[in-house]
This record gives sequence, C-alpha cells and structure tokens, in this order.
Amino acid sequence: DTGVSQDPRHKITKRGQNVTFRCDPISEHNRLYWYRQTLGQGPEFLTYFQNEAQLEKSRLLSDRFSAERPKGSFSTLEIQRTEQGDSAMYLCASSLGPGELFFGEGSRLTVL
Amino acid sequence: RKEVEQDPGPFNVPEGATVAFNCTYSNSASQSFFWYRQDCRKEPKLLMSVYSSGNEDGRFTAQLNRASQYISLLIRDSKLSDSATYLCVVSPRTGGFKTIFGAGTRLFVKA
Repeated sequence: DTGVSQDPRHKITKRGQNVTFRCDPISEHNRLYWYRQTLGQGPEFLTYFQNEAQLEKSRLLSDRFSAERPKGSFSTLEIQRTEQGDSAMYLCASSLGPGELFFGEGSRLTVL
Repeated sequence: RKEVEQDPGPFNVPEGATVAFNCTYSNSASQSFFWYRQDCRKEPKLLMSVYSSGNEDGRFTAQLNRASQYISLLIRDSKLSDSATYLCVVSPRTGGFKTIFGAGTRLFVKA
C-alpha cells in the first residue's frame, strides 16, 4: 500500500497524558498537513510542512500541540497534557505541490 | 464568520434527482477551490477542482463566482452511491498552505 499511513489508528488515554501520532506520507510528496475533525464538522487545519519546514500553524493550536517532520519524510504530532476537548480524529494528508491532498485513514483519539 | 460556509443539510433526494450545493468563502484572495467527498467514517477524497470557467466531470458540474465569493456543485441523475458528505475546500493562494475545509453538506439519495 503506497498511500498515506497513520499510526495508531485508535488511541484511548486519560486526561493529562501525552500522546503522539505518526504519519507516513506518500513517498514523493513534499507537502504534509495535519487536520483535526470532530463529528459533524469538516477537517480543521492544524499545521503544514513543506519538506522539513513547518510553514504554517493554526492560531487555534495551543502550546500543548507540537508537530515535527525531521527529515522531510514522516511526521509526528504530539499532544501534551491531553484534555477531553482534544478527543477527535486527527487526519494527515500529503501532496506533491499544489492541488489534491491525499489523506490517511486518521488516528482517532479518545480522552477519558 | 467562518472562512468557508456550507449548508449542512441533510439533503434527502430520490434517485435520479438533480441536487445543488453552494458554498461561500470569506477570503477574497483565495486562489484554489475544490470539492471533496467524505463517506461515513472514511477520509476525504478529491471529487473535483473548481475553475473560474466552470468544469464538468460526468454528472458533476462545479462553478466558481469570484465576485460573489461562492462555489457550487451540481449533481445530476443522483445515484444511491452519491450519498456522502460533500466538503467545499478553499486555498488562500495557489500552492496549498492553509487549505480550509467547510463543515460539509450531507447528501442522502434514496431509492
């Protein structure tokens, strides 16, 4: 399978714990995006990488969220001190230049 | 005001019907426009890009009105398989960056 892959697919954690999600984009894609989606809403932009550079970050993203793409390949999204409001589907997408975004199946986070 | 606004629906239509969705965007500098489709519990997938001259792909027609800052999607001869959420997507400039998704319009096509 050469699509975007995300891990883990599901994560249940207790409030206050840290969680990390990983995204492996399509190999030749230089652009990588993280989105968050809750029930009944569209994907909400979190951050964008071009190669290893994080070029844009949503103002909605609190300091508890951090993302990296150390070698311009895979990316990680870490949430520190999770809150119940962080419960959502975290979607990763990649693209080659402008145009179509290819999404992974997402990582579903449940904070108890 | 949200950057991209859509009527959430749901739209309930019979097979064979024609249905239209509209979407408005607030950033007049927006350059790229798309419609994505999202099936229940699945990831979004590109349905079609939207060009200033309008474009058609089979039963689907997309149009852009820059002056009024809205985008439309027309589906003709609806099929049961068209049941999904349709997401309006806007990029502030050519090149992606902060690509913004609307909340989506839900469509149910019934036999």
